[in-house]
Amino acid sequence: KAGVTQTPRYLIKTRGQQVTLSCSPISGHRSVSWYQQTPGQGLQFLFEYFSETQRNKGNFPGRFSGRQFSNSRSEMNVSTLELGDSALYLCASRRDRGDGYTFGSGTRLTVV
Amino acid sequence: AQTVTQSQPEMSVQEAETVTLSCTYDTSESDYYLFWYKQPPSRQMILVIRQEAYKQQNATENRFSVNFQKAAKSFSLKISDSQLGDAAMYFCAYRSTPNFGNEKLTFGTGTRLTIIP
Repeated sequence: KAGVTQTPRYLIKTRGQQVTLSCSPISGHRSVSWYQQTPGQGLQFLFEYFSETQRNKGNFPGRFSGRQFSNSRSEMNVSTLELGDSALYLCASRRDRGDGYTFGSGTRLTVV
Repeated sequence: AQTVTQSQPEMSVQEAETVTLSCTYDTSESDYYLFWYKQPPSRQMILVIRQEAYKQQNATENRFSVNFQKAAKSFSLKISDSQLGDAAMYFCAYRSTPNFGNEKLTFGTGTRLTIIP
């Protein structure tokens, strides 16, 4: 059974650019969540999608957005990148409400 | 809002010995889930153990067990017979139940565990 797949694993972008990260959940999982991990702020919740609808959103500016497709794959977009957006972005999926989360290995984004 | 506190930034233990990682949390909810996740250098967050607040019995998974004290809002992780593969960052996390709506995970700041051969 394949796990949660995040692509790419590493990414270097220039300040002001935009970036799109991808997450493919475990087959049958309908929910995808995104977390940002930085040394200073730790692990912070970005948003959760369930059956193509955003269900919850964390306290991040509007530059951070996401979407989920009919096959449950999810993308996260960050526009107008800032140096502070450099982080490990983790995706997690689960089958349904109340279930546990399975995490991917993350995308390491570096903004220069 | 819920908060999770891990007061030990780093811990070390001799191989084959036992170590306990501390976690406290704050919530006004009566039912919730608590988790310990492990994050090795591979970066993937791996679920170690899960505790449901309405269950009084402490969860156990092989060498990993918890001491859940609901009244004290304490949730410590005990690792017995420590192995080199246990070296990682360990995060304590809180999650509301579906009845309370927002099921995001709230994480502590982590404890880096080093295993001494």
